[in-house]
Amino acid sequence: EAQVTQNPRYLITVTGKKLTVTCSQNMNHEYMSWYRQDPGLGLRQIYYSMNVEVTDKGDVPEGYKVSRKEKRNFPLILESPSPNQTSLYFCASSWDRGGTEAFFGQGTRLTVV
Amino acid sequence: GENVEQHPSTLSVQEGDSAVIKCTYSDSASNYFPWYKQELGKRPQLIIDIRSNVGEKKDQRIAVTLNKTAKHFSLHITETQPEDSAVYFCAARGSSNDYKLSFGAGTTVTVRA
Repeated sequence: EAQVTQNPRYLITVTGKKLTVTCSQNMNHEYMSWYRQDPGLGLRQIYYSMNVEVTDKGDVPEGYKVSRKEKRNFPLILESPSPNQTSLYFCASSWDRGGTEAFFGQGTRLTVV
Repeated sequence: GENVEQHPSTLSVQEGDSAVIKCTYSDSASNYFPWYKQELGKRPQLIIDIRSNVGEKKDQRIAVTLNKTAKHFSLHITETQPEDSAVYFCAARGSSNDYKLSFGAGTTVTVRA
């Protein structure tokens, strides 16, 4: 079954404690990206990757890091989380570099206290 | 960067009536415009998309229109059903050298039985 898998689904952490949200896709997609969803603001792109070792900033990259060492995985790293990073996070992947953003992960609800 | 505005923020329609959601974008080089549906507690799912070389696209009860001159595009849902109740997001992707996808803030559609 084609899917994008994020872990964990829910996470509560404290300010400053480094964390990683994993994302894995089994469709051999080249393009992967991370979004955060906040009420009234829609989905905002954090980072995206067009292929292995190729990443670039989205609209709200501050406070986040990503890596793309393998095609299937695209982890999101928060080196020093702060309360303003409390949000719902989605990973997505697409087969087309300039086209369809077809598959989203289930989402990760992060709370930073 | 790209700025996408979406209206209205909420929309209530009687079952069987039509629903129309409108989005405007700022980057005249944007060339891809997807629409996503997000049911409560679920991930966004692509429902229809349109590219800049096409003015209209239909898929059963859903249609999208694009006016490049005015830089706006719309989602039309005909014969609405209760299962159409969800949050709908429009998005725009920049030029071929910019793979950032910018989303509107979303429209909460409620279909009254």
